[in-house]
Amino acid sequence: QKEVEQNSGPLSVPEGAIASLNCTYSDRGSQSFFWYRQYSGKSPELIMSIYSNGDKEDGRFTAQLNKASQYVSLLIRDSQPSDSATYLCAVKGNNAGNMLTFGGGTRLMVKP
Amino acid sequence: EAGVTQFPSHSVIEKGQTVTLRCDPISGHDNLYWYRRVMGKEIKFLLHFVKESKQDESGMPNNRFLAERTGGTYSTLKVQPAELEDSGVYFCASSQSRGQQFFGPGTRLTVL
Repeated sequence: QKEVEQNSGPLSVPEGAIASLNCTYSDRGSQSFFWYRQYSGKSPELIMSIYSNGDKEDGRFTAQLNKASQYVSLLIRDSQPSDSATYLCAVKGNNAGNMLTFGGGTRLMVKP
Repeated sequence: EAGVTQFPSHSVIEKGQTVTLRCDPISGHDNLYWYRRVMGKEIKFLLHFVKESKQDESGMPNNRFLAERTGGTYSTLKVQPAELEDSGVYFCASSQSRGQQFFGPGTRLTVL
């Protein structure tokens, strides 16, 4: 079992729709959760971080965390073609280190 | 403010040769990380520097990989001798203390 799992996609949504990206993780002691967006050939860019159960909203993005279910999701409202990218879920454990454990990423395609 | 920079952007070498990758972190960031993504797999942690000291090198695959950060500024990652399975994209990231990790654009390494 992978430590952080994501559906590789592609997830295709029409422009203006809500895109829902999901991630599960295996380490129950994980404390910090991140969503990175990566355009092809570019650096991963942090778009959301979440540390406690519930929802966290930032503009068109909402991150949702459920530690009991070991599940974190990212909702993108009013999806735009410019949102087309690979979305990476990353998790940081509660050990002394600061390493991120990544999922394989979900490729999102927003069609005009 | 300049972001994390990496050099070269691409490198093609033959099996058995040596390659050195360079990372310049964001100015003032004491924490520097190396990650890599091999084809079809997720981004995986290699090691973490705090200033010039190796804080965590648990992800280094074997002793063909040598990372240095003399003076606590830029870092190099040397692969010697390179093997076919070393092909992938090598990312560097930096952070202030244990905060957000900012990623560079990566070096794409191809070993023939």
